[in-house]
Order: sequence, then C-alpha cells, then structure tokens
Amino acid sequence: TQLLEQSPQFLSIQEGENLTVYCNSSSVFSSLQWYRQEPGEGPVLLVTVVTGGEVKKLKRLTFQFGDARKDSSLHITAAQPGDTGLYLCAGARNAGNMLTFGGGTRLMVKP
Amino acid sequence: DTEVTQTPKHLVMGMTNKKSLKCEQHMGHRAMYWYKQKAKKPPELMFVYSYEKLSINESVPSRFSPECPNSSLLNLHLHALQPEDSALYLCASSEPGLESDTQYFGPGTRLTVL
Repeated sequence: TQLLEQSPQFLSIQEGENLTVYCNSSSVFSSLQWYRQEPGEGPVLLVTVVTGGEVKKLKRLTFQFGDARKDSSLHITAAQPGDTGLYLCAGARNAGNMLTFGGGTRLMVKP
Repeated sequence: DTEVTQTPKHLVMGMTNKKSLKCEQHMGHRAMYWYKQKAKKPPELMFVYSYEKLSINESVPSRFSPECPNSSLLNLHLHALQPEDSALYLCASSEPGLESDTQYFGPGTRLTVL
C-alpha cells in the first residue's frame, strides 16, 4: 500500500493570511483529488487533477499536480474563517477503484 | 447533480441490535463504496461494489454486511456491533474511467454503538 504524506497536520492562522498544504508520495498517481470536510459531514470534492504539472484555480484556492504526478499542493490566498475544516488529498491508481488518502490537514482560520 | 444521499443521519444502537445504513446516488455511477471514518482520521475503505458486484472487501468483520440491490442503491447491514465500531460511515460513488474515477461522498451516518 503506497503512502500519501500530507503536511502540515494542523494549521491555525489569522484571517487574511496565505497557506499551503502539501501531499507527497513516492508512488505515481493517475489522478489526485482534494476534498474539504466539516465535522460530522462527508468530504466535499474541491478538485481533481490529472495531468502532471497541471494547475487549477477555484476562487482563492490554487491546486497543483507535480510534474511526475507524485505530489500535489493546495494554496489558499487570503484565508477566511469559512475556509476552516479538514482538507484531505486522495490519490487514485490506474488499477482498481481504491483511493489512497493523506492523513489530512486540519485548518483553523481565526477572524 | 453530484449528490449522494445517506440515511439515517444519526444512529444509536445496542450491541444486540440489527440495523441498516442506506445510500443512494442518481448520477448513473457504477461503482459504490463504504468507508469508515474515526475522529480526526481520514476515511478507511471497507467495501467496493463495481457494476453491482462486490469487488473489494478490506478484511471487514462479518458483523458488517454490504448489499447492492441495484446500481443506484447501497446498503450496509449491521449486526452485533461493538462500541469500537462507533464512527462516521461514509458512502461514495464514482463512474469507472470517468473524471479519473473521482469519488463523490455522501454526508455520512454518525453511528454510536452502546
């Protein structure tokens, strides 16, 4: 089972600050998904990245897939309290339907 | 529509009870999943159904019994659970080969076993 290491595990910042979350692996993924989850709710899909070097933007969120498709990052600009939550990266392999989840980043944005 | 629905939202059961969790999707997806998530941890895969057939069972104890009545429904039958089975149970669906198998999750069922 390949590992997907996510960092940092926990991040507490002030409103307006920027932050970056990283997911790294020694394995190649065919795609990588980013989810945001609030307590007691299911993960909500933010983005899927597929192509090495791909950059996708979702308002203040920028997602990047590494050239070798082994790593990914999520950058949030001018964080807001509504961004508070658990951010999960999950990588998919070509074979089968299994996702490998990172350990999650718990983000708290203080007003 | 990218909605996966789950019922009930919350469930409290004793160790001798039999209950079922239900999941439904209307996206035409042909793969459906059950995950278990403990607090502050990522989801852990339990079962995968692909084209209505069980394709992956991640060594889940037999007190959890999945069922896929049709391509849009997925059930998880529970019997003789233990307190450590208390968790958030998540259902997800995807279309094999579409959007790189992106999985869409339901809101979950919060299960408490007394």
